[in-house]
Amino acid sequence: QSVLSQPPSVSGAPGQTVTITCTGSNSNIGADYDVHWYQHLPGTAPKLLIYANVNRPSGVPDRFSGSKSGTSASLAITGLQADDEAHYYCQSYDSSLSGSGVFGGGTKLTVL
Amino acid sequence: QVQLVQSGAEVSQPGASVKFSCQASGYIFTYYYIHWVRQAPGQGLEWMASINPSGGSTSYSQNFRGRVSVTRETSTSTVNMELTSLRSEDTAIYYCARGAVAGYLDYWGQGTLVTVSS
Repeated sequence: QSVLSQPPSVSGAPGQTVTITCTGSNSNIGADYDVHWYQHLPGTAPKLLIYANVNRPSGVPDRFSGSKSGTSASLAITGLQADDEAHYYCQSYDSSLSGSGVFGGGTKLTVL
Repeated sequence: QVQLVQSGAEVSQPGASVKFSCQASGYIFTYYYIHWVRQAPGQGLEWMASINPSGGSTSYSQNFRGRVSVTRETSTSTVNMELTSLRSEDTAIYYCARGAVAGYLDYWGQGTLVTVSS
């Protein structure tokens, strides 16, 4: 069981919008730790997609956006494209685990 | 350019130990943490540990405490991870990643495949 909860899968047709949620608690997201998002394609290293809740690294399209409220965070992907099909992970830290890093269980995005 | 280059694949027996490395280049080694994350077959990402290369302080996941050790060699900008008392469930790809001050992992190594099998 992951400390951060994500839906195992989401899907959408090309051009549509999907949202992936990341639910935590008062010891991680709710404790004001930032949430970061990664895209992971098979056979490659994870790629940073969103950092500090809402920021996109250089080169990440603005189709990807992040938000955070209370003990949850969300990743929205607009204008779905076939190459968005991947696993997506949220990441934060947890004060009840001595500040250790924690990942969500991951969400598989399928582009129909 | 920032690069993290990891050592090659390892095969180890149950109960044994394994050590693998991550060499950083393209930035000031002591300015950023190095984190270790693993992915077992069919599973998600799992945070394992981090080290501050400046002073060598470490943080470990409770899931691995006592079995994992992370060290650094500032002369070669290298971080090493050792995992002991291996079991089959430790078969995974192990990634090192650079950690920014805000805690996100902005650059990743290519991964080291560790296979635990008798």
